[in-house]
Amino acid sequence: EDKVVQSPLSLVVHEGDTVTLNCSYEVTNFRSLLWYKQEKKAPTFLFMLTSSGIEKKSGRLSSILDKKELFSILNITATQTGDSAVYLCAPQSGTYKYIFGTGTRLKVLA
Amino acid sequence: SAVISQKPSRDICQRGTSLTIQCQVDSQVTMMFWYRQQPGQSLTLIATANQGSEATYESGFVIDKFPISRPNLTFSTLTVSNMSPEDSSIYLCSVGPEAFFGQGTRLTVV
Repeated sequence: EDKVVQSPLSLVVHEGDTVTLNCSYEVTNFRSLLWYKQEKKAPTFLFMLTSSGIEKKSGRLSSILDKKELFSILNITATQTGDSAVYLCAPQSGTYKYIFGTGTRLKVLA
Repeated sequence: SAVISQKPSRDICQRGTSLTIQCQVDSQVTMMFWYRQQPGQSLTLIATANQGSEATYESGFVIDKFPISRPNLTFSTLTVSNMSPEDSSIYLCSVGPEAFFGQGTRLTVV
């Protein structure tokens, strides 16, 4: 059975802190892994990772995938209150199916 | 990335009634997907909407409860039929290998 585990479940930090969010997975026919930020209803796409060891960066956010150990991390440096959200990872199983984790709820205090 | 318009944004419905959610994409896409996010839960794929053929449903979801239409390559609808309070969720459509999402529909059944 496909499984995705995100940790921690929730996190409270102060502005300027650096956070690391974890995603471990076991899915059949793995193709890629996606990260999203969800603030209200719709998740916002952050990264798609397909290759191990290649870091993807966008501003203060970065992410990397380890296909051997079956995990990915999302780093956020110099956090801001606007980073407060639920962060979801979703490994792709097969051609089109994404298995979503339950997310990490991040709260950044001013 | 595709621009996805979903409506309604939210609705409050009486139990036993049905609601149809629309998803419009600004470009032609082969596959469109419908997800459900129950309160406090992660996203679960309901079905894949295929143009010109019947939708493909995931385990636990049936056509009688969630009929889907896909009349062309830019549009799809999801109907939530004979609603009960357990159907109260956020419903999301998505497209593309990066699974870009529409704005979501927050449904409350009373």
